[in-house]
Amino acid sequence: NAGVTQTPKFQVLKTGQSMTLQCAQDMNHNSMYWYRQDPGMGLRLIYYSASEGTTDKGEVPNGYNVSRLNKREFSLRLESAAPSQTSVYFCASSEFSGNTDTQYFGPGTRLTVL
Amino acid sequence: AQSVTQPDIHITVSEGASLELRCNYSYGATPYLFWYVQSPGQGLQLLLKYFSGDTLVQGIKGFEAEFKRSQSSFNLRKPSVHWSDAAEYFCAVGPPGGSYIPTFGRGTSLIVHP
Repeated sequence: NAGVTQTPKFQVLKTGQSMTLQCAQDMNHNSMYWYRQDPGMGLRLIYYSASEGTTDKGEVPNGYNVSRLNKREFSLRLESAAPSQTSVYFCASSEFSGNTDTQYFGPGTRLTVL
Repeated sequence: AQSVTQPDIHITVSEGASLELRCNYSYGATPYLFWYVQSPGQGLQLLLKYFSGDTLVQGIKGFEAEFKRSQSSFNLRKPSVHWSDAAEYFCAVGPPGGSYIPTFGRGTSLIVHP
């Protein structure tokens, strides 16, 4: 049981390049999330998917797109990377227990855009 | 809208000393409250959560948190800190029921002196 996995762990891009961050979970969770973490800002939600086939914008969706490929996988795409997207990206999935969802996080992808 | 405040950006304690990390929330009803820990270079790990009932919640790694409705607080405590507790700690708040999107505080960085 690997939990939530993310690839790659590190990435350096040049401005204007595109890339896709991959996330997979093996806990059979319905909901999945993408966050970015910046110093002093905590975690900010980019997109989430409440179930397979649905996606919704979070707090900071501009410059990103997502795909819920199946129940296990939720990818985040940067079409044209900008230096402002330099950040640490976390994927999470959640299960419903005790009347609310509890999130489980992946190890993160550290992205630098030059 | 819900919000959560962690007033302390950094906290420094000596190994073996007690610890209290503060968390204040703003929400119209009794929220669901969480504490997460992030070790350097790692993802977030759930320490404990509060839904209802006993206001003193026990978590992993010897941590506990107390919900105080009158103060809108959910402070994290540990009686004796270990050097391995040095990490970033995040408080999160979410509405009850169904799929929820939590709001995270900006985090408190714990430094442990030997």
